[in-house]
Amino acid sequence: NAGVMQNPRHLVRRRGQEARLRCSPMKGHSHVYWYRQLPEEGLKFMVYLQKENIIDESGMPKERFSAEFPKEGPSILRIQQVVRGDSAAYFCASSPPGAAETQYFGPGTRLLVL
Amino acid sequence: AQSVSQHNHHVILSEAASLELGCNYSYGGTVNLFWYVQYPGQHLQLLLKYFSGDPLVKGIKGFEAEFIKSKFSFNLRKPSVQWSDTAEYFCAVINTGGFKTIFGAGTRLFVKA
Repeated sequence: NAGVMQNPRHLVRRRGQEARLRCSPMKGHSHVYWYRQLPEEGLKFMVYLQKENIIDESGMPKERFSAEFPKEGPSILRIQQVVRGDSAAYFCASSPPGAAETQYFGPGTRLLVL
Repeated sequence: AQSVSQHNHHVILSEAASLELGCNYSYGGTVNLFWYVQYPGQHLQLLLKYFSGDPLVKGIKGFEAEFIKSKFSFNLRKPSVQWSDTAEYFCAVINTGGFKTIFGAGTRLFVKA
């Protein structure tokens, strides 16, 4: 029973490029959450998605960041025109319907912007 | 706004020493509480959680935590640490019925062999 999967595990981008981070939830989970961990800080909530719907994106930066969770395929967190301050670990979590309090975390994607 | 405070950013212990990591949260309603561990280079793992019932919660690897509602605290304890417990520990809270997990800044534990 595979857990939450994220890829890539490590991603290096130059300033101005785009970063695409993927998250496949656990089997049977239809809710996905993205968190960001900046250096020396705890994880901070970014966005909560269900299939084809963004439920809450109050933690997402207003510009350059977007997220989707299509009907088929993984959830994607996209960062356009990356800057050095975007360097962080990005964690995805998933939960089954009706149990948003029980979130299972993936291994994270470590993004480094040069 | 909800927040989680972890008192120590870095802790250094010798093997067999006892561990207590402090965690306080601010929220007036009913909450669910968690402790996660992140070993070097690995992903977050759930150590234990409290939803309701007995405020003394036992988790994996000999860890336990006590929820003290009057103090808004959920401290993590282990009677005797091992070198393999070297990791970063995160306290987290989510309000009942909510979905935003609020994390503390983490405590890095280093256990000397």
